[in-house]
Amino acid sequence: DQQVKQNSPSLSVQEGRISILNCDYTNSMFDYFLWYKKYPAEGPTFLISISSIKDKNEDGRFTVFLNKSAKHLSLHIVPSQPGDSAVYFCAASVGGSNYKLTFGKGTLLTVNP
Amino acid sequence: KAGVTQTPRYLIKTRGQQVTLSCSPISGHRSVSWYQQTPGQGLQFLFEYFSETQRNKGNFPGRFSGRQFSNSRSEMNVSTLELGDSALYLCASSKTSGRIGELFFGEGSRLTVL
Repeated sequence: DQQVKQNSPSLSVQEGRISILNCDYTNSMFDYFLWYKKYPAEGPTFLISISSIKDKNEDGRFTVFLNKSAKHLSLHIVPSQPGDSAVYFCAASVGGSNYKLTFGKGTLLTVNP
Repeated sequence: KAGVTQTPRYLIKTRGQQVTLSCSPISGHRSVSWYQQTPGQGLQFLFEYFSETQRNKGNFPGRFSGRQFSNSRSEMNVSTLELGDSALYLCASSKTSGRIGELFFGEGSRLTVL
């Protein structure tokens, strides 16, 4: 049972435009959400996170939106740059003393010059 | 500051063999987690260690095991390898085992089972 779903395996956008990556989750116990970016032959790197008590978190060109009622979050990248081309993973966790992330399968973002 | 180091980076084994992967976390990080990445399943949590204790475990068979040493270095072992164990195994470290904090991933160990 996929508790975190990224339904778009790939997304292609033009440089300078907005990239919107989507993620849905089913477990209502999730209370912390993260986005990771992964380049080929490298490990994932943390990008941005959001707690369930918020509905928006912004960091430079990256903004994450959380809609708890819809169990949906999205990552907006504005403006998109060719260097943003990577696989983006959405992840979620349940509060507690243990750190266990549930990841989506990832979305490959390609930003065309 | 050195990142998370995983060894070996690549290895090839045959069915039935066993394999041990090693992970050195970032200095000062006491929590080490292991994840398996496959094209079909994405990133899946294997287990997490904190202060030499396994704190959490994913839904993997008992053939997958791990341990953590007093210097926070961790190893994971897969016994009786199956073709489906071919994957990228990622190790991640964090300062604490708490819910707030980000994981810092290594580059992974790519295992191919023939």
